[in-house]
Amino acid sequence: QKEVEQNSGPLSVPEGAIASLNCTYSDRVSQSFFWYRQYSGKSPELIMSIYSNGDKEDGRFTAQLNKASQYVSLLIRDSQPSDSATYLCALRGSQAGTALIFGKGTTLSVSS
Amino acid sequence: KAGVTQTPRYLIKTRGQQVTLSCSPISGHRSVSWYQQTPGQGLQFLFEYFSETQRNKGNFPGRFSGRQFSNSRSEMNVSTLELGDSALYLCASSDEMDYGYTFGSGTRLTVV
Repeated sequence: QKEVEQNSGPLSVPEGAIASLNCTYSDRVSQSFFWYRQYSGKSPELIMSIYSNGDKEDGRFTAQLNKASQYVSLLIRDSQPSDSATYLCALRGSQAGTALIFGKGTTLSVSS
Repeated sequence: KAGVTQTPRYLIKTRGQQVTLSCSPISGHRSVSWYQQTPGQGLQFLFEYFSETQRNKGNFPGRFSGRQFSNSRSEMNVSTLELGDSALYLCASSDEMDYGYTFGSGTRLTVV
């Protein structure tokens, strides 16, 4: 059974700062990793995917993956109040039909 | 391109009743997954369907069932409702194994 661990937070950062969100996982065969953002009362929205070790950048977001250490992180540069949400880490294995498993999420609060 | 459509958005049911929730995936997506989201447990995987076949099932009792039709639309059914079944039920669709899911707006089920 895959397990995904996230610090529930809240993580509080001032506007303009870098927010760092971390996720560790237990299953070494996990192949695909995702970060979702969920605003209160809304459904999760995919913001980043990463499949290989290293960094992947998309605008203000950078996902980092280290399979040897079994962690994946999300950096948000120049944080904005609109980034205040719960961030969910998710992963899935390599076999067809394996489920996408989610962590419980980290709540981020960006103050202006 | 239309997103994932879930109906109904809200439901109130009485203990012991059964309920059917519907999900229409993004056009062309053949994979549909269902999740239950509660404040305490986060997003928990219920089951995944691909081309009308259940490919994976989470750790939920047999009261939870689902199916997928030839047009990829999916339904999930919960029989003999319990108070603990009150949750947000989310459907997500995907067109490729390695891509993250796109979620619908969810069905908020309240059991009284």
